[in-house]
Amino acid sequence: DGGITQSPKYLFRKEGQNVTLSCEQNLNHDAMYWYRQDPGQGLRLIYYSQIVNDFQKGDIAEGYSVSREKKESFPLTVTSAQKNPTAFYLCASSPVFSYNEQFFGPGTRLTVL
Amino acid sequence: GENVEQHPSTLSVQEGDSAVIKCTYSDSASNYFPWYKQELGKGPQLIIDIRSNVGEKKDQRIAVTLNKTAKHFSLHITETQPEDSAVYFCAAIGLAGGTSYGKLTFGQGTILTVHP
Repeated sequence: DGGITQSPKYLFRKEGQNVTLSCEQNLNHDAMYWYRQDPGQGLRLIYYSQIVNDFQKGDIAEGYSVSREKKESFPLTVTSAQKNPTAFYLCASSPVFSYNEQFFGPGTRLTVL
Repeated sequence: GENVEQHPSTLSVQEGDSAVIKCTYSDSASNYFPWYKQELGKGPQLIIDIRSNVGEKKDQRIAVTLNKTAKHFSLHITETQPEDSAVYFCAAIGLAGGTSYGKLTFGQGTILTVHP
């Protein structure tokens, strides 16, 4: 079964703690993306990776960090520097970085208490 | 960079009616326009897309139209059913060399409710 998995589905953390969200894909896609979704808003791009060992900041990268050491994995760390971390986080991938369809995972809802 | 505006933010229709959602974009270099459907608590799923060399595309009850001159595109759902109820997002991606290349810019979303 090919697809994108994100874990966990729900995550609770105390304010001031770093937390890492997992994203794995077995679609053999080169490009991967992280988006943040807030109520009543569209998805906003946090970071993207065109290929393994490469990543770039998106529109709202402050307070976040990523790594891309393996083609199938693109974890996102929400650091204590992120002022409003409570949100729904979505990971996506596409065969190549271009103007084509992106496939989304099921998302992780992060709540910072 | 690209900016995508989507209207309306909420849309309520009776089962069997048609629903239309409209989007405008700012970057004339954008050339790929997907529409995503998101059900509660899930990730978005692509339902239809269109490229700039095509004016209209249809897939069963769903159609998308694109007007590149006016920089707007629309989603049309005919014979709506309760299972069409969801949040719908439009998005745009640009050509290589532009600031929006490879990166989806989303509209704000439309909550569609289809009443039985």
